[in-house]
Amino acid sequence: QVQLVQSGAEVKMPGASVKVSCKASGYNFNAYTMKWVRQAPGQGLEWMGRINANNGGTFSAQKFQGRITMTRDTSISTDYLELNSLTSDDTAVYFCARDSGLGGSMDHWGQGTLVTVSS
Amino acid sequence: QSALTQPPSASGSPGQSVTISCTGTSSDVGGYNYVSWYQQHPGKVPKLMIYEVTKRPSGVPDRFSGSKSGNTASLTVSGLQAEDEADYYCTSFAGGYDMVFGGGTKLTVL
Repeated sequence: QVQLVQSGAEVKMPGASVKVSCKASGYNFNAYTMKWVRQAPGQGLEWMGRINANNGGTFSAQKFQGRITMTRDTSISTDYLELNSLTSDDTAVYFCARDSGLGGSMDHWGQGTLVTVSS
Repeated sequence: QSALTQPPSASGSPGQSVTISCTGTSSDVGGYNYVSWYQQHPGKVPKLMIYEVTKRPSGVPDRFSGSKSGNTASLTVSGLQAEDEADYYCTSFAGGYDMVFGGGTKLTVL
């Protein structure tokens, strides 16, 4: 079965960077685009960006451009999200989600990684 | 890209129907048939309920249905059940590789 397993919770100082991993299994990793979504405490879902399956190209939401990096290691079926220059506003649960290929919908989600930014 | 507009809350009694709206623009909801809906219970991972405006993934009850008119998409839950109480989010393709979420609607089963 399809599984997306994310790395554990992180606590970071303001100004630091965080890197979250998302290990996929149960499907052809190279055939599916991965998306990243975050959710601040008590808030809604926010789309962050995507890494394309076919060429590893990335696209991020405008508000994150310049401080987000998404990468992929196909040898271990793992995607990574790195976010730089963290502030308290970046405190959130970060999800990876597989793009189903059907209208951009996300059919499988990781369990989420809580990133807390605090001094 | 501005967020799609959803009502903050909706409610209905067991067995009733409730409809949640999701309003965007001609650059997102109105321009493409790529609206999806997600259900999220507290502390849980979002679950895909509707994709491409009207389609249900396997395993999603047919009590859940989607539609679209102009720049507004809608999710209708018929025959409300207690387990339908959750937050619901719409998303839409917004051109290129972009996408946008709605702010979410808390559905309460009275």
